[in-house]
Amino acid sequence: NAGVTQTPKFQVLKTGQSMTLQCAQDMNHNSMYWYRQDPGMGLRLIYYSASEGTTDKGEVPNGYNVSRLNKREFSLRLESAAPSQTSVYFCASSEQTPRYYEQYFGPGTRLTVT
Amino acid sequence: AQSVAQPEDQVNVAEGNPLTVKCTYSVSGNPYLFWYVQYPNRGLQFLLKYITGDNLVKGSYGFEAEFNKSQTSFHLKKPSALVSDSALYFCAVGSGNTGKLIFGQGTTLQVKP
Repeated sequence: NAGVTQTPKFQVLKTGQSMTLQCAQDMNHNSMYWYRQDPGMGLRLIYYSASEGTTDKGEVPNGYNVSRLNKREFSLRLESAAPSQTSVYFCASSEQTPRYYEQYFGPGTRLTVT
Repeated sequence: AQSVAQPEDQVNVAEGNPLTVKCTYSVSGNPYLFWYVQYPNRGLQFLLKYITGDNLVKGSYGFEAEFNKSQTSFHLKKPSALVSDSALYFCAVGSGNTGKLIFGQGTTLQVKP
């Protein structure tokens, strides 16, 4: 099993450009998450999907949109990138919502917006 | 509102000595707590969790953590540190069934030979 995969690994965007970060999991998990990691701030939840067909906002949703394409895939879209969105983005999945189940993380996408 | 604090940015220990990485939390309702570890340029890996039951939780790689409800703490411990334990450690807390976890800012553990 590949676990959680993310593409691309690295990306440089100019301010105002758009892009989609892709995430897929092969563990048949119901729940998926998008986080951003910034130095000294830990991980902050952007959006999550408790199950296929549902999405909800996390702590820092502004400037982002998500799509739960199917049970395996959960994409994150930046419509008009800003320098404040320079960060490392992690996708994660869990069997169900976290009360009982740990999250499994992808390797991350390092995004720079100039 | 939920919150979690890791009061130390960095913890330094000598190999073979015991280590403690501190975590305190604030939630309404019963908490569930996790520790994750991150090695350079990698995603987070699950170490252990407390949902309910015994206050002492054992996890991967010889790590354990003690849930203390009165002190609202969930400190990570290991009796004998290894150089390979050097990494960034995150505590996370949630409550209810919202699907949301709040992560601490992380503590860098440096184990010196």
